Amino acid sequence: GAVVSQHPSWVICKSGTSVKIECRSLDFQATTMFWYRQFPKQSLMLMATSNEGSKATYEQGVEKDKFLINHASLTLSTLTVTSAHPEDSSFYICSAPPLAGPTYNEQFFGPGTRLTVL
Amino acid sequence: RKEVEQDPGPFNVPEGATVAFNCTYSNSASQSFFWYRQDCRKEPKLLMSVYSSGNEDGRFTAQLNRASQYISLLIRDSKLSDSATYLCVVNMGGTGRRALTFGSGTRLQVQP
Repeated sequence: GAVVSQHPSWVICKSGTSVKIECRSLDFQATTMFWYRQFPKQSLMLMATSNEGSKATYEQGVEKDKFLINHASLTLSTLTVTSAHPEDSSFYICSAPPLAGPTYNEQFFGPGTRLTVL
Repeated sequence: RKEVEQDPGPFNVPEGATVAFNCTYSNSASQSFFWYRQDCRKEPKLLMSVYSSGNEDGRFTAQLNRASQYISLLIRDSKLSDSATYLCVVNMGGTGRRALTFGSGTRLQVQP
């Protein structure tokens, strides 16, 4: 099946620093990738839709200047949490639907990045 | 009202039991439906898609009722390894957008 990787798998940083998370589709291309966030004992919440070659689309309540998204190629999207604060500590997961094929309606998830801001 | 609603559980069942999870969704234009499984501190993994005619995969049976906007998952002969959180997931469609909407999950604990 299709594979999506994320890096790093976990990160601990000080308040005020910026953290970049990478999401890569390893064996397929994705013009769209999605970034989700999951707080403890809650479900995944969509933060933004990353579009290759154009601006990301952010969900209501998600600050675009704080969560910078860059979708530079058909296999890579990055999420940068700028000036991170403890309330940004969460599990960040990306997903990518393939462009076509029998799994068109599926999404393949990265393994997630656990961010802890001290 | 949440877009996708599930009973959070937990469901504590003995090995070998049959357990059923239910889910309702609010958007009648939703296009595709899934059950995902999420283990603690891991990413969600697709368990099965849900088709209008109902579908089965081994011990797992999923059903969809579009008129009632209701999805179910039945697990027969529960195993210890089935312990996880089960997420009801809906693709609400829309032009150029295929983000998934997740229910809050139902936690299953299978006990020896």
